[in-house]
Amino acid sequence: EAQVTQNPRYLITVTGKKLTVTCSQNMNHEYMSWYRQDPGLGLRQIYYSMNVEVTDKGDVPEGYKVSRKEKRNFPLILESPSPNQTSLYFCASSYGTGGAGYTFGSGTRLTVV
Amino acid sequence: GQQLNQSPQSMFIQEGEDVSMNCTSSSIFNTWLWYKQDPGEGPVLLIALYKAGELTSNGRLTAQFGITRKDSFLNISASIPSDVGIYFCAGHKGGGSEKLVFGKGTKLTVNP
Repeated sequence: EAQVTQNPRYLITVTGKKLTVTCSQNMNHEYMSWYRQDPGLGLRQIYYSMNVEVTDKGDVPEGYKVSRKEKRNFPLILESPSPNQTSLYFCASSYGTGGAGYTFGSGTRLTVV
Repeated sequence: GQQLNQSPQSMFIQEGEDVSMNCTSSSIFNTWLWYKQDPGEGPVLLIALYKAGELTSNGRLTAQFGITRKDSFLNISASIPSDVGIYFCAGHKGGGSEKLVFGKGTKLTVNP
């Protein structure tokens, strides 16, 4: 089944403890992206990648890192999480540019205490 | 960062009614997309629009790309209970930019 897989689905962590949210797609898509969803703010793009080793900032990149060493994987790294990063995170991938429409994962709900 | 103005914020309708929602922007987009999000899931693409003036249907859903390229609307005809969810518009500028900008969503409730 064609899909975007994120892990974990739920995560509670403490301020300052480094964490990684993994994302993998099995559709051979070039483009991948990370979004966070907050009540009243909709979906905001954190980072995106147009190909292996090619990444760029979205609208809210502060406090996050990404890497794209392989085409299928696009992990999101929080080096020193803070409570304002408590959110619902989505990974997405697309065969063409973002305008072709992203396929989204099921989300990771992160709580930082 | 830029966001799209999506309205209404929420809608409460009776089963069988038609629904209309829209999205506007102060700048031009080359692609407009409409997504639906069910509780506990990621957004799912409903319709993609690539040309100004384009009108596209997907079952009971119809969406249009505004002539000015600064707006789009989504209509749902004869709503059913499974239409419940949050609907998002999204705009893509293209031209080398891979930013996909989302509206804040329209939460739809359908009463049987």
